[in-house]
Amino acid sequence: ETGVTQTPRHLVMGMTNKKSLKCEQHLGHNAMYWYKQSAKKPLELMFVYNFKEQTENNSVPSRFSPECPNSSHLFLHLHTLQPEDSALYLCASSQEGRTGGVGAFFGQGTRLTVV
Amino acid sequence: GQSLEQPSEVTAVEGAIVQINCTYQTSGFYGLSWYQQHDGGAPTFLSYNGLDGLEETGRFSSFLSRSDSYGYLLLQELQMKDSASYFCAASSVADKLIFGTGTRLQVFP
Repeated sequence: ETGVTQTPRHLVMGMTNKKSLKCEQHLGHNAMYWYKQSAKKPLELMFVYNFKEQTENNSVPSRFSPECPNSSHLFLHLHTLQPEDSALYLCASSQEGRTGGVGAFFGQGTRLTVV
Repeated sequence: GQSLEQPSEVTAVEGAIVQINCTYQTSGFYGLSWYQQHDGGAPTFLSYNGLDGLEETGRFSSFLSRSDSYGYLLLQELQMKDSASYFCAASSVADKLIFGTGTRLQVFP
């Protein structure tokens, strides 16, 4: 248990569905991140939120829509996904955006399969 | 663009020492950190280098050379449980944490 909780752990969805991934952190951190991890690829940074404000959108397609209502919660809304979007989606948090010295804490991820 | 390169796989035996290298090309570089990820698990933070030199944390040490855009993770007294994927990650002033390609370490008895 890292203090970062993601739900659901597994998700299978059709290309026409709409679903949301949820992330919650209980560490008092101010920055939260979404990463995508595909097989045989490095973790890809998708979005960064610092103090609830989006500071980074790493050229992510609009079918992925993040939402950060407060510093403890982060959502990733999904719609009209493609099979190549199947991957492990990881949420992470860190203190005041300093992702170096104190490290980023990751959730267990959501294994997404698009059929 | 920004990239961090690592060897794809490293093998070693229990009790040995192994070094995992990381070369990076990033803008606004702040520091280099290392993460461990077991199959099916989440990445966990191991160490961070904000300055050049060696940082030691138990059996793990990490090194950074900014002039060479290079770092490494040194694992000593290897144990079977150290079999996992290891990622270097570059922090930037823009609050980005960019991960390397990952190195799969297999420890044999």
